[in-house]
Amino acid sequence: DTEVTQTPKHLVMGMTNKKSLKCEQHMGHRAMYWYKQKAKKPPELMFVYSYEKLSINESVPSRFSPECPNSSLLNLHLHALQPEDSALYLCASSQEGLRENYNEQFFGPGTRLTVL
Amino acid sequence: TQLLEQSPQFLSIQEGENLTVYCNSSSVFSSLQWYRQEPGEGPVLLVTVVTGGEVKKLKRLTFQFGDARKDSSLHITAAQPGDTGLYLCAGGLKTSYDKVIFGPGTSLSVIP
Repeated sequence: DTEVTQTPKHLVMGMTNKKSLKCEQHMGHRAMYWYKQKAKKPPELMFVYSYEKLSINESVPSRFSPECPNSSLLNLHLHALQPEDSALYLCASSQEGLRENYNEQFFGPGTRLTVL
Repeated sequence: TQLLEQSPQFLSIQEGENLTVYCNSSSVFSSLQWYRQEPGEGPVLLVTVVTGGEVKKLKRLTFQFGDARKDSSLHITAAQPGDTGLYLCAGGLKTSYDKVIFGPGTSLSVIP
């Protein structure tokens, strides 16, 4: 299985809602990532989990809360978002620590989030 | 500060033409990846280059890593409509194997 899956594919939420994005990989990768991407722009790193521990938080507002329940799963909890948070949210994984794989990341299809 | 720059930013060509996309930096990268992303989808890894001067070929795509590991190019021969998408280069920093730096992307449109 060489796939990263993300659910839901699309999400529309109000500014007072609480929702969660989910990501799953079964490649045995030890690093998982959340990115935010606006149209025609590159992905912006939000969080990195390495061996199920948060290793990088790129100064993301607290209305975004990541969680890594186990090495295969990654969640992003959303609360009190703003319309400017509307974007494509991408999950990725990589085989951390193996020199020959370097920084290769495998991305999921993304969740298209719209905040009303 | 943009660590990775890409040119051109936008490119629209006819089917069958050749093209080259450039990825440049003033920093040295331990490795560099090229991804292609279609609208509404996640980026798909095309190739990783790690050795200065390295050349890799993937069908009609040729990737080159600069001798100093600061720049890379992607050359497409006889472009096809299926090549349409956003091409992203991404560099791995020696300071952190967890993190990559993405270039701003080159949006390619191949017209039938």
